[in-house]
Amino acid sequence: AQTVTQSQPEMSVQEAETVTLSCTYDTSESDYYLFWYKQPPSRQMILVIRQEAYKQQNATENRFSVNFQKAAKSFSLKISDSQLGDAAMYFCAYRSGSNTGTASKLTFGTGTRLQVTL
Amino acid sequence: DSGVTQTPKHLITATGQRVTLRCSPRSGDLSVYWYQQSLDQGLQFLIQYYNGEERAKGNILERFSAQQFPDLHSELNLSSLELGDSALYFCASSPGTTRETQYFGPGTRLLVL
Repeated sequence: AQTVTQSQPEMSVQEAETVTLSCTYDTSESDYYLFWYKQPPSRQMILVIRQEAYKQQNATENRFSVNFQKAAKSFSLKISDSQLGDAAMYFCAYRSGSNTGTASKLTFGTGTRLQVTL
Repeated sequence: DSGVTQTPKHLITATGQRVTLRCSPRSGDLSVYWYQQSLDQGLQFLIQYYNGEERAKGNILERFSAQQFPDLHSELNLSSLELGDSALYFCASSPGTTRETQYFGPGTRLLVL
C-alpha cells in the first residue's frame, strides 16, 4: 500500500519570505500523481498544485512550485513571497495512475500547519 | 468555490442516531468520493461512486452506506452513530475514474454527543 509522510507538523515563515514543505511517499508504482492541498481555517480543501509522475518538469502555479524527485520519492512544496492568506494546513496526497480497485482514492499525509508572521 | 456542494454544513446528533449527508458534484463530473477527516485517523477515503455504481470501497464501516442517484448527487448514510464518528466528512468529485484531479466540497461537520 502507498504511504505519504509529512515529517514537519508545523512550519513558520515571515511574510514575503520563502518556505518549503516536505513530503515523501512510498510506492512500487511508476504511474501516479501527486498533489498538494491547502486547508485554511474554513476547513475547505483547496487544490494547490498537481504533478504527474511521468513528467520530469516540476509543476508551477504562480507563487507555488514543487521539487519532484522521483528516485528519492520526494515531493516538496515551495511557497515564494509568502502572504498572510497562505496560513493553512497543507496536505500532500498520492493517487495511483491505475484504474483498478481503490486506485482512484487519494492517500493523504498527516499535514503541515503553516504559520505566516508579519 | 470548487463547484461541489455539500449539505448540511453542520450536524449535531446523539449516539445511536442516523444521519444523511448530501453531496452534489461539479457539473459534468461522474465520480463522487467520500472522505472522513478526524483528529485521530486523519483524512481517509471511504467510498467512490461512478455514474451511479459503487466503484471502490475504502475504510468504510458497515454502519455507513452510500449511494449515487441518477442525477449524480450522492448521499452518505451514517447509522448507529458513536462518539468516534464525530468528524468532518468531505465529498469530492472528478469527471471520470482515472487521472483527473478531485475537487472537494466544503465538508459537513458532524458532532455526535
